[in-house]
Amino acid sequence: RKEVEQDPGPFNVPEGATVAFNCTYSNSASQSFFWYRQDCRKEPKLLMSVYSSGNEDGRFTAQLNRASQYISLLIRDSKLSDSVTYLCVVNVDGGYNKLIFGAGTRLAVHP
Amino acid sequence: DAGVIQSPRHEVTEMGQEVTLRCKPISGHNSLFWYRQTMMRGLELLIYFNNNVPIDDSGMPEDRFSAKMPNASFSTLKIQPSEPRDSAVYFCASSGDPYRISPLHFGNGTRLTVT
Repeated sequence: RKEVEQDPGPFNVPEGATVAFNCTYSNSASQSFFWYRQDCRKEPKLLMSVYSSGNEDGRFTAQLNRASQYISLLIRDSKLSDSVTYLCVVNVDGGYNKLIFGAGTRLAVHP
Repeated sequence: DAGVIQSPRHEVTEMGQEVTLRCKPISGHNSLFWYRQTMMRGLELLIYFNNNVPIDDSGMPEDRFSAKMPNASFSTLKIQPSEPRDSAVYFCASSGDPYRISPLHFGNGTRLTVT
């Protein structure tokens, strides 16, 4: 089993739709969780951290389910500019530091 | 604020040549990471440093790869000799505190092509 797994997609949705992605991780001791976005082979950029209680940033909501070892990202009111790859990041060591990326989920928002 | 700075942006070299990639982390950050990205394998962690000390190099693919961090503001990733399968985008990233949850900040990457 891979340390961090994501559905590669692509997810094709119309503008204004709500879409959700999941990411599963294998190490039950993981403490650090993030979602990054990456556009056209540019550098990944932090979208949001994922906190135990769940957190929201505008149209984006992140959740953590420790029992089932997955994190999720919900995007409401999708925009054309949301058409990028979403990368799940999880630490896989005993501390916080060894951060491993999932393969990414591609989102395509169409008019 | 200056972000993570990588050089060169692009590197084209012939098989067998030595390649050196450079990275300057964000000032004050204590952890530095080297990742490699390809279409087939995605983003792979090669090695990371905490306070200039290599902590985990299990992702370094072969002995041809080596990385150093002589001080808090500079790191290099060297490939010698290079091979066509090393062609990829190499990203350097830094984060603030290895003992707390700290997100990564990436440089623009070095696109390496080995012919």
